[in-house]
Amino acid sequence: GDSVTQMEGPVTLSEEAFLTINCTYTATGYPSLFWYVQYPGEGLQLLLKATKADDKGSNKGFEATYRKETTSFHLEKGSVQVSDSAVYFCALSEPLGRDDKIIFGKGTRLHILP
Amino acid sequence: IAGITQAPTSQILAAGRRMTLRCTQDMRHNAMYWYRQDLGLGLRLIHYSNTAGTTGKGEVPDGYSVSRANTDDFPLTLASAVPSQTSVYFCASSDQPYSSYNEQFFGPGTRLTVL
Repeated sequence: GDSVTQMEGPVTLSEEAFLTINCTYTATGYPSLFWYVQYPGEGLQLLLKATKADDKGSNKGFEATYRKETTSFHLEKGSVQVSDSAVYFCALSEPLGRDDKIIFGKGTRLHILP
Repeated sequence: IAGITQAPTSQILAAGRRMTLRCTQDMRHNAMYWYRQDLGLGLRLIHYSNTAGTTGKGEVPDGYSVSRANTDDFPLTLASAVPSQTSVYFCASSDQPYSSYNEQFFGPGTRLTVL
């Protein structure tokens, strides 16, 4: 079945460091890919998404590129801030008629030190 | 109110008691979902509903039931709570369940402790 694997945390970085959180997926079709973020005490919210190969999703300085050849959707940010401390979830959604649910990775906790 | 509300915010419950977690959305989304979030396990889907009047089982449905009498409400019931149901529960909704653009919107969560 479909699955999402992301790097285990916690990841601890200093402010202004470069961030990469790895995510790879397994899918039978052509899924859409998402990154969700969960700030402390809150529900998940969509950070960015990409719906087809080679698409780049971006938001709040974060980017991720849909790489079909490597089945990856790694999250990157050039200079992290303390306010980026949160849990990040990679997810996929199968297209119409196949599977209408989102599959989430287990999440990666990110700590940014001032 | 815009978005999804959940109630209660938190609850401590004795084992064996019945409990209903409430979820209401005002976005007129077709689909709604219940997840539980446990440390090290991420989010696991309990039940879902693609449209009012229909429900389906997710990854971990045992011990839980849902109903979808209308578009806005999607309550989750624990008929006889057990300690393993201690978790944080999130309700979510999406406008297009049968689409590759299936962005989900999440409520703030309910923290449930079963003793």
